[in-house]
Amino acid sequence: AQSVTQPDIHITVSEGASLELRCNYSYGATPYLFWYVQSPGQGLQLLLKYFSGDTLVQGIKGFEAEFKRSQSSFNLRKPSVHWSDAAEYFCAVGPVSGGSYIPTFGRGTSLIVHP
Amino acid sequence: EAQVTQNPRYLITVTGKKLTVTCSQNMNHEYMSWYRQDPGLGLRQIYYSMNVEVTDKGDVPEGYKVSRKEKRNFPLILESPSPNQTSLYFCASRTGVLDTQYFGPGTRLTVL
Repeated sequence: AQSVTQPDIHITVSEGASLELRCNYSYGATPYLFWYVQSPGQGLQLLLKYFSGDTLVQGIKGFEAEFKRSQSSFNLRKPSVHWSDAAEYFCAVGPVSGGSYIPTFGRGTSLIVHP
Repeated sequence: EAQVTQNPRYLITVTGKKLTVTCSQNMNHEYMSWYRQDPGLGLRQIYYSMNVEVTDKGDVPEGYKVSRKEKRNFPLILESPSPNQTSLYFCASRTGVLDTQYFGPGTRLTVL
């Protein structure tokens, strides 16, 4: 069975500092990987996704993520955090089997940004 | 404006009283899903639908029903709600299996 681990429940950074949110997955085949952001009181918004090809994926809002098969990781990064980036971030992995799609989400990492 | 709408946004009810949470999308998406979000557990998929009249169970379908009679609508039905169904519920839609999911704003349900 697939699983996703986000080891950090909370991360606190200063505005302007760099950010890395960790995501480790367990899946038997090549995974389909996603990062979502959830602002307070809002639904989830897709930041980026990886299916195949270049292992460094660029997303919206200046985020990027790198797929490392050897480490089973898909960490999210941003070189300079803005106060508006304070939100909950979810990593997800989803197989495709027979046309179905049941993604598994991590428990989330709450990002706190200090001015 | 492309969007997924859910109603109601907030609901407090009592055990056993049937309720329906509506979900509608205006993007002509084939796929729609329902998730519940609980603290420390992330999102878990309840049901999903690949097209009209085609639905399938997700990870946590017990106690829920869905229907897909029209492409744009995907209501979530709780026939006999229980307190363990107190949660934040999200509807989502997408064009294809691996396409970007668009999430609704969420429905916060409390079952007393």
